[in-house]
Amino acid sequence: DAKTTQPTSMDCAEGRAANLPCNHSTISGNEYVYWYRQIHSQGPQYIIHGLKNNETNEMASLIITEDRKSSTLILPHATLRDTAVYYCIVQATGTASKLTFGTGTRLQVTL
Amino acid sequence: DAGVIQSPRHEVTEMGQEVTLRCKPISGHDYLFWYRQTMMRGLELLIYFNNNVPIDDSGMPEDRFSAKMPNASFSTLKIQPSEPRDSAVYFCASSQLLDGANYGYTFGSGTRLTVV
Repeated sequence: DAKTTQPTSMDCAEGRAANLPCNHSTISGNEYVYWYRQIHSQGPQYIIHGLKNNETNEMASLIITEDRKSSTLILPHATLRDTAVYYCIVQATGTASKLTFGTGTRLQVTL
Repeated sequence: DAGVIQSPRHEVTEMGQEVTLRCKPISGHDYLFWYRQTMMRGLELLIYFNNNVPIDDSGMPEDRFSAKMPNASFSTLKIQPSEPRDSAVYFCASSQLLDGANYGYTFGSGTRLTVV
């Protein structure tokens, strides 16, 4: 059963912020939100994760709503190299097991 | 760290032949995962190990598939006999828990398998 819902595709102009939404309305209290991306012909790449607070690293920011039912991944200044499929996944705390990938959002960054 | 290393990068084999895919996880990572990716089915988890022990192999499609992890630095995924429908990209990933939290999987570059 899909635990997250993401738009199939999105476009973003280079240099602009890319905001990728994810719904996870059935998330449990012990589940983190993880984001990965997969650039064509490469293995998936971990981006960021969070539980309930907003998180930021060198790649992106993660904004989680107060009720934790949705989140947004923000790439502040998208480049052509950010063109990829972005996956939003929920996974329980304290486990590294069974990361289940959905269909993700295909982000196309254009000139 | 060289990351997760998979070999070979590409494999073309004839139907009925045995195929062995190899993976070297990141040193210190105690979880290892095998995934398969196709256009039709996306990324599917086949099996995962914790401390070299298989924990969940419910994703292994058939008895033709088997996986082993003889030590912490090496794992194999074997298909015998191979069939055209096994054609896919096979990814290996590793991970570890730090203070009870998972800081993400690291994936290898994958093995593209073509069975003709």
